[in-house]
Amino acid sequence: GAGVSQSPRYKVAKRGQDVALRCDPISGHVSLFWYQQALGQGPEFLTYFQNEAQLDKSGLPSDRFFAERPEGSVSTLKIQRTQQEDSAVYLCASSLIQGKRGGRRTEAFFGQGTRLTVV
Amino acid sequence: DQQVKQNSPSLSVQEGRISILNCDYTNSMFDYFLWYKKYPAEGPTFLISISSIKDKNEDGRFTVFLNKSAKHLSLHIVPSQPGDSAVYFCLSDGGSQGNLIFGKGTKLSVKP
Repeated sequence: GAGVSQSPRYKVAKRGQDVALRCDPISGHVSLFWYQQALGQGPEFLTYFQNEAQLDKSGLPSDRFFAERPEGSVSTLKIQRTQQEDSAVYLCASSLIQGKRGGRRTEAFFGQGTRLTVV
Repeated sequence: DQQVKQNSPSLSVQEGRISILNCDYTNSMFDYFLWYKKYPAEGPTFLISISSIKDKNEDGRFTVFLNKSAKHLSLHIVPSQPGDSAVYFCLSDGGSQGNLIFGKGTKLSVKP
């Protein structure tokens, strides 16, 4: 497809369960971002990849959160031992941008998000 | 502590009138701002942007104004249409790696 694709669209997990959220960025996009959007809030930055390199993971809320992009394309956000406060929409975005040190500013394209509910 | 602030969670406007959405930021080093629009169950989509070398950028019905001294920007939609009803996010690309920093969003409702 032409856009950013995220799967699953909805995920219900029991507290303590591990989950994996997938993001397929637009082909050729260098940068990939993960955001967490709690109910009634704006998206909060989690982590950023440039190709396969994870350049910034300062937004990950705990060591239960782990993200990877091993081949510089598809990315997976993994949450271990889920807690109720992890319930949110997880948004993935990709762009051509190289980052502030590198390239021109371009638009970031977002996926539809994965709504995670931890019960 | 929010670096990008949208203090109005909602705004209701009559069709055909002007919608003005406001945004404040705290870091004077921020030099590029964007507005994204989000419909329910969809991801945010890019609307318009502005660089700090400008104080105005216009694209059709949408105009963004930037007041650097006040660290304030606003999005004007004229004339407003019912299809503009959505949540509007103000963003800066002020993150250390160019990541986007979001405001909390303003939900715009345009009444026919």
